[in-house]
Amino acid sequence: GAVVSQHPSWVICKSGTSVKIECRSLDFQATTMFWYRQFPKQSLMLMATSNEGSKATYEQGVEKDKFLINHASLTLSTLTVTSAHPEDSSFYICSGGGNSNQPQHFGDGTRLSIL
Amino acid sequence: LAKTTQPISMDSYEGQEVNITCSHNNIATNDYITWYQQFPSQGPRFIIQGYKTKVTNEVASLFIPADRKSSTLSLPRVSLSDTAVYYCLVERGGLGGDKLIFGTGTRLQVFP
Repeated sequence: GAVVSQHPSWVICKSGTSVKIECRSLDFQATTMFWYRQFPKQSLMLMATSNEGSKATYEQGVEKDKFLINHASLTLSTLTVTSAHPEDSSFYICSGGGNSNQPQHFGDGTRLSIL
Repeated sequence: LAKTTQPISMDSYEGQEVNITCSHNNIATNDYITWYQQFPSQGPRFIIQGYKTKVTNEVASLFIPADRKSSTLSLPRVSLSDTAVYYCLVERGGLGGDKLIFGTGTRLQVFP
């Protein structure tokens, strides 16, 4: 089945640092990918829709200047958390859909801890 | 996208059949119903998808009544490793290209 690879799986950094998370579709092309955030014991919350070759679409309440999304190719989307602070600590998950009635496939997430 | 409602949690014992029901009253004609499983610190994993009636694969069955306003995920003979959170979602067109809105999910705890 379709595979989505997410990197890194775990990162710890100091407050004020910018962190980039990569999401790759390994065996299919994804014109659209999605970024979610999940806090402990809570459900996934959609942050933004990443569109290949165009600007991302952000959900209400998500700061686009804080969470920079780049989708420069059909197999790679990146999420950069700029000037991260402790409240940005969370589990970030990406997903991508294939074509022709294929359900979405999720990466294994990135655990971000800001000290 | 149609909102989904499912029980917050369920308990079961090994070897039992578990049925998790989800309601999606506002499902649209071209919406599919998809179930995902999530273990701690992992991304959700696709279990099964259906449009109507019954769908079965090697791990689960999905029952969808004629009005499609609800669906039931059936896990036969659960084991301890089935302890996870199960999410019911409505997916536009089943094409994978539309955003997914996650509800609370059902936290299934399987006991020995």
